[in-house]
Amino acid sequence: GQNIDQPTEMTATEGAIVQINCTYQTSGFNGLFWYQQHAGEAPTFLSYNVLDGLEEKGRFSSFLSRSKGYSYLLLKELQMKDSASYLCAVRVHGSGNTGKLIFGQGTTLQVKP
Amino acid sequence: DVKVTQSSRYLVKRTGEKVFLECVQDMDHENMFWYRQDPGLGLRLIYFSYDVKMKEKGDIPEGYSVSREKKERFSLILESASTNQTSMYLCASSSTGGKQYFGPGTRLTVT
Repeated sequence: GQNIDQPTEMTATEGAIVQINCTYQTSGFNGLFWYQQHAGEAPTFLSYNVLDGLEEKGRFSSFLSRSKGYSYLLLKELQMKDSASYLCAVRVHGSGNTGKLIFGQGTTLQVKP
Repeated sequence: DVKVTQSSRYLVKRTGEKVFLECVQDMDHENMFWYRQDPGLGLRLIYFSYDVKMKEKGDIPEGYSVSREKKERFSLILESASTNQTSMYLCASSSTGGKQYFGPGTRLTVT
């Protein structure tokens, strides 16, 4: 079966650092994605990991350990606009060389002043 | 700039009606996807397509069908809408091996 787990809700303070964890058990693995989704809006791409290690992009970093089935998204210097849902998704192979995404439930992050 | 558009942001339909949700992308992507998003359940894949006229069932295809007659357009059809199909519907597209780009979503209410 396919299973992706992430915390439902997190709260953090403006200016702080927060780490959102994601664990997965999937049949096949072809990369892990993080998306950000503000309320009422479409998900937007944040990061992609296919090899073990850390990918850094400005205030956002994402880490992957394939052997442990584990990833995290690190947000530094939190801003109020970072209040959103963060979606972890694993890509598995589909027909026609399509990559299907299996999503976790999403983590709703609230940033407080 | 990359663009995925959906025909409606909000839609209200009656039980038993046939409902069409349209999605158009302007990136010449091979792959297109339909998801529904429900609180506590996340995004779930309904159907996807990897080429014109090619379609594949996702995780929850029951009660839905799709059509892809042109590369840029992917339609989701609810043959006979039911109240349990009230949800947010999101379309996405991607190139082979690329990340998925999402449309703004259609919030469908079936009464």
